[in-house]
Amino acid sequence: KAGVTQTPRYLIKTRGQQVTLSCSPISGHRSVSWYQQTPGQGLQFLFEYFSETQRNKGNFPGRFSGRQFSNSRSEMNVSTLELGDSALYLCASSSALLAGGSKETQYFGPGTRLLVL
Amino acid sequence: GNSVTQMEGPVTLSEEAFLTINCTYTATGYPSLFWYVQYPGEGLQLLLKATKADDKGSNKGFEATYRKETTSFHLEKGSVQVSDSAVYFCALSDEVYSGGGADGLTFGKGTHLIIQP
Repeated sequence: KAGVTQTPRYLIKTRGQQVTLSCSPISGHRSVSWYQQTPGQGLQFLFEYFSETQRNKGNFPGRFSGRQFSNSRSEMNVSTLELGDSALYLCASSSALLAGGSKETQYFGPGTRLLVL
Repeated sequence: GNSVTQMEGPVTLSEEAFLTINCTYTATGYPSLFWYVQYPGEGLQLLLKATKADDKGSNKGFEATYRKETTSFHLEKGSVQVSDSAVYFCALSDEVYSGGGADGLTFGKGTHLIIQP
């Protein structure tokens, strides 16, 4: 099975712009979660989607949003970029066979490295 | 709330040395516990996991035992290799769901391991 794929791998934007990142989960996985990784804050949970619905959200401002399509692919969007949004954005998928699904193992993609200038 | 504490390092060892990376956690309910590894420029790879007390996860010579009484999940390897140099993350996934969805993994800050030949 192909793993989780993320595009693009690298991105450079300027303050005030917006950006869209894409994630394709492992085939058959219906849950997609997004994480932000920075040197200062470490790995932080952004949100999780299951069957096109956002089921939970971490403690991030409304500038961070996402969506999931019927084929389970997901996108996240960051509007009005700030310097502090520079980070590695990781997507993870799980099969979520159990209700809620958070105990299912999450498999991560290679990440998209975003640099905001 | 949930939290994971691990030594940040860097931890520097010689090849063939014994490795221990400590991990302790705070969580409600009965979480699943994970170790992920991140090689330079890559995403996270699942190394091993344990889903209930006294379970032992193992993979590629690494082991960790879920100790509920000490709320710990220490990672060990008997003889490390240069190729084990990476950042290791301890993480938990709580049994208690909020809003019916996945709460996301809670990660430690990561331990940077350097193995010298």
